[in-house]
Amino acid sequence: QVQLQESGPGLAKPSETLSLTCTVSGGSISSSYWSWIRQPPGKGLEWIGYINYSGNTNYNPSLKSRVTISVDTSKNQFSLKLSSVTAADTALYYCARSYSSAWSYWGKGTAVTVSS
Amino acid sequence: SYVLTQPPSVSVAPGQTVRITCGGNNIGSESVHWYQQKPGQAPVLVVYDDSDRPSGIPERFSGSNSGNTATLTISRVEAGDEADYYCQVWDSNSDHVIFGGGTKLTVL
Repeated sequence: QVQLQESGPGLAKPSETLSLTCTVSGGSISSSYWSWIRQPPGKGLEWIGYINYSGNTNYNPSLKSRVTISVDTSKNQFSLKLSSVTAADTALYYCARSYSSAWSYWGKGTAVTVSS
Repeated sequence: SYVLTQPPSVSVAPGQTVRITCGGNNIGSESVHWYQQKPGQAPVLVVYDDSDRPSGIPERFSGSNSGNTATLTISRVEAGDEADYYCQVWDSNSDHVIFGGGTKLTVL
C-alpha cells in the first residue's frame, strides 16, 4: 500500500521560501505522477503542480512564477518550493500520487502558516 | 482557463438519493473524478474516470458525465456520507489539474 508523508516547517515568514518534502513508502517514485495540492483554511482544494516519473513538471498558472517541484529518486521523495510567500499561502499542503488522471493516494497534509 | 462549477451545498434525508453536479464546458469529453473530504481528513477518491469506483468504495457511490455536466450520485445516503465533495479534471488542453469549488453535503 502506497503511503505519503509530508514534512516541513509549519511556520514561514512573509517573503521567505517555503520548502516541503513528501516521502513515499510502499512504492517507487519512479513511476506515476506526483502532485502538491493545498487547501486554505475553510476553503477548497487548489492544485499547485505536479512532477512525473521523467522529471517533467507542470504548475498552476497562478503560482507558476513562484513554484518549483523536484524529485529525489534516491530518497523516494519529491519536494515543493514556494517563494515569496504571503499570508495568502497559509494552508494545509497535501502531496498526492496519480492513478489514471485522478489523485488516488494522499498524505495526511501538513499545515503551513505564513506570519511574521 | 477551465472552470468547474459545483453547488455550494446540498442536503438530503437519510436513505434518500442525492445528486451533486459539476458543470464545465464540454466536460463530457474529459474524465471526471470525485473526492470526499470529511472534517480534519485528507480527501478520498470515491469515483474516477467518470463512473469507476476505487476498491473499498461502496456501490452506493456512482458517477456519470455527459455534455456540460458530470454528476456524483449517492444512493441510500447515510449519516457518515456527510462531507465536502469535490470534482476534478485533468484539462486535456492545458495539462493542468482543475478542482471544482466543492459541495457540502448535509444529511438531515
